[in-house]
Amino acid sequence: GQNIDQPTEMTATEGAIVQINCTYQTSGFNGLFWYQQHAGEAPTFLSYNVLDGLEEKGRFSSFLSRSKGYSYLLLKELQMKDSASYLCAAMDSNYQLIWGAGTKLIIKP
Amino acid sequence: IAGITQAPTSQILAAGRRMTLRCTQDMRHNAMYWYRQDLGLGLRLIHYSNTAGTTGKGEVPDGYSVSRANTDDFPLTLASAVPSQTSVYFCASSDGGTGSGYTFGSGTRLTVV
Repeated sequence: GQNIDQPTEMTATEGAIVQINCTYQTSGFNGLFWYQQHAGEAPTFLSYNVLDGLEEKGRFSSFLSRSKGYSYLLLKELQMKDSASYLCAAMDSNYQLIWGAGTKLIIKP
Repeated sequence: IAGITQAPTSQILAAGRRMTLRCTQDMRHNAMYWYRQDLGLGLRLIHYSNTAGTTGKGEVPDGYSVSRANTDDFPLTLASAVPSQTSVYFCASSDGGTGSGYTFGSGTRLTVV
C-alpha cells in the first residue's frame, strides 16, 4: 500500500532550528513535495525533491533519500509566522500526490 | 481570475439537499482534483480528472460526483448531503509535470446539519 508518515505536532522556539521528518512508501516515485498550510487557508508549495540530497531555499531546506524512503524539511531562524501545518506528499507512478496527515508546528517566543 | 477560484467560501446545508461546489482555474492545467480535509486525517482525494472529458475516483468517492466538460471547470456535486460530509473541500490543479506540484483553491467550508 501507499503510506506517508510524519509527526502530528512539534514545538520549537523562535529563532531556533527545527527538522520535520517524513517517511514514504508509494507505488513508483516521481518526487517528494512539502507544503505549508496556515490555519484556515489552502496549502502552498514549499519545495520539491526528486534526486537525493539537500535543496536549500532561503530559511527552508528539504532533504531526500530515495533509498531510505525518507525526507525532512529544515526550518532555520524560526519566526512566529512559521507556525503552521507542514504537509509531506509523495508523487506516485500515476503522477498523483499521496499526502501525509501533516505536522502542526507551534512556535513559542 | 488568477489561479483557482472556488465557490462558495462556506455553506450550511440541510441533510438530504443537493449541492454543487464550483471550481474554476485559468492556468490551462490539464489535471484537476477534489480533496476533503478533516482534522487529523489530512487531505483525502475524492475525485480527479487528468484531462477534460475524463474523471476518476479517489480514496473517498462515495456520495460525490464530478464532471469535466472543459479544461477550466471541475464542479463537485453532493447528490444528497449527509452530516459526515461536513468538511473543508479543496480543489487543486496541476499541469501534470513532475516538479510543478499542485495549486490549490482557497477552499469551501461545508457544514451539513
